[in-house]
Amino acid sequence: ETGVTQSPTHLIKTRGQQVTLRCSSQSGHNTVSWYQQALGQGPQFIFQYYREEENGRGNFPPRFSGLQFPNYSSELNVNALELDDSALYLCAFRRRAEESPLHFGNGTRLTVT
Amino acid sequence: DAKTTQPPSMDCAEGRAANLPCNHSTISGNEYVYWYRQIHSQGPQYIIHGLKNNETNEMASLIITEDRKSSTLILPHATLRDTAVYYCIVSPRSNDYKLSFGAGTTVTVRA
Repeated sequence: ETGVTQSPTHLIKTRGQQVTLRCSSQSGHNTVSWYQQALGQGPQFIFQYYREEENGRGNFPPRFSGLQFPNYSSELNVNALELDDSALYLCAFRRRAEESPLHFGNGTRLTVT
Repeated sequence: DAKTTQPPSMDCAEGRAANLPCNHSTISGNEYVYWYRQIHSQGPQYIIHGLKNNETNEMASLIITEDRKSSTLILPHATLRDTAVYYCIVSPRSNDYKLSFGAGTTVTVRA
């Protein structure tokens, strides 16, 4: 049990639509990272938020965006969905700043049809 | 970040030690070795990490060679619940929020 909650667990959207995925941590912390995991592959880093600002980004287009709230919960937004966006989306928190490894939630499975 | 090479799959017997190898021949001096695993339908779970000394915790032991070009994760008494994909990742501590997961090793523990 990591104490990281993601919602919803599963989601089906149509190409061109927009989606918002949510993540929260029981303990709360000022750093949250988001990852995309396509079927059969390892997770790929999307971006990280620190104190409500994006401070690191992987190789993902601007239609992937995020928010972090004062209570340290976070959202991942994806606009203009494409079929290739079908994946498991994972968020991860640290328990303490720079002193602990990432703790992941169980993800949201997004299917784009 | 340096890349790692892991065998795609391995089997081990329940109750026996499982030794998972990882090659990271281009590792830099400031890069740590991290191990995560992912059980089916769950998010990755942190196991252990180290820089150059061997490390042990309640889940596993990490043995890093003296030249740091390879390492071995040891699960001392594998159980069926240890069946998972195991990822070996190298990263500087400053970048360990953006881990580069490869394909990992699919470990199947058999009764």
